[in-house]
Amino acid sequence: DSGVTQTPKHLITATGQRVTLRCSPRSGDLSVYWYQQSLDQGLQFLIQYYNGEERAKGNILERFSAQQFPDLHSELNLSSLELGDSALYFCASSVVEHNEQFFGPGTRLTVL
Amino acid sequence: GQNIDQPTEMTATEGAIVQINCTYQTSGFNGLFWYQQHAGEAPTFLSYNVLDGLEEKGRFSSFLSRSKGYSYLLLKELQMKDSASYLCAVPSGGSYIPTFGRGTSLIVHP
Repeated sequence: DSGVTQTPKHLITATGQRVTLRCSPRSGDLSVYWYQQSLDQGLQFLIQYYNGEERAKGNILERFSAQQFPDLHSELNLSSLELGDSALYFCASSVVEHNEQFFGPGTRLTVL
Repeated sequence: GQNIDQPTEMTATEGAIVQINCTYQTSGFNGLFWYQQHAGEAPTFLSYNVLDGLEEKGRFSSFLSRSKGYSYLLLKELQMKDSASYLCAVPSGGSYIPTFGRGTSLIVHP
């Protein structure tokens, strides 16, 4: 158990819909990262927040957005969902940016 | 940007030693990470190398050569539970966000 929690564990929805994935970092970690992992793309970095502020952006689509709240939990919002968005979405946290990241168990999103 | 290359799949026998290689190209270097990921589970941190040389941690060791853009993960006394994907990750120049390789799927058989 990494100490990072993610909900829900599984999510099944239809194309065009909008979903919200939630992540709580390890106690004391200020940095939160979101990743997407699909079979054909590997683990892709989406976005990072540090103490409530957006810090870095990766390959995140405009249909996706995220935020980190004052209590440091984070949410990833995925809208206008497409079949290709089906993937495992991981949240990770670290104390500071250059430390190892601790990954949550992931949310498996299936878009039908 | 950077390019990370590691073998797609390797097989080994229980009790043996296996070396998983990773080559990378990056503009600026901020260390190299190795993670283990069992199927359907979260990646877990194994090692972080920022200086050249070998870092040993129990049955797992990681080596780095910055001049050659090369690292390897050495797994000794293989156990069946070591069957997993091993991800090499390198932050891009000026950033601490690791870019992950596609991973090496290691299959350990009896």
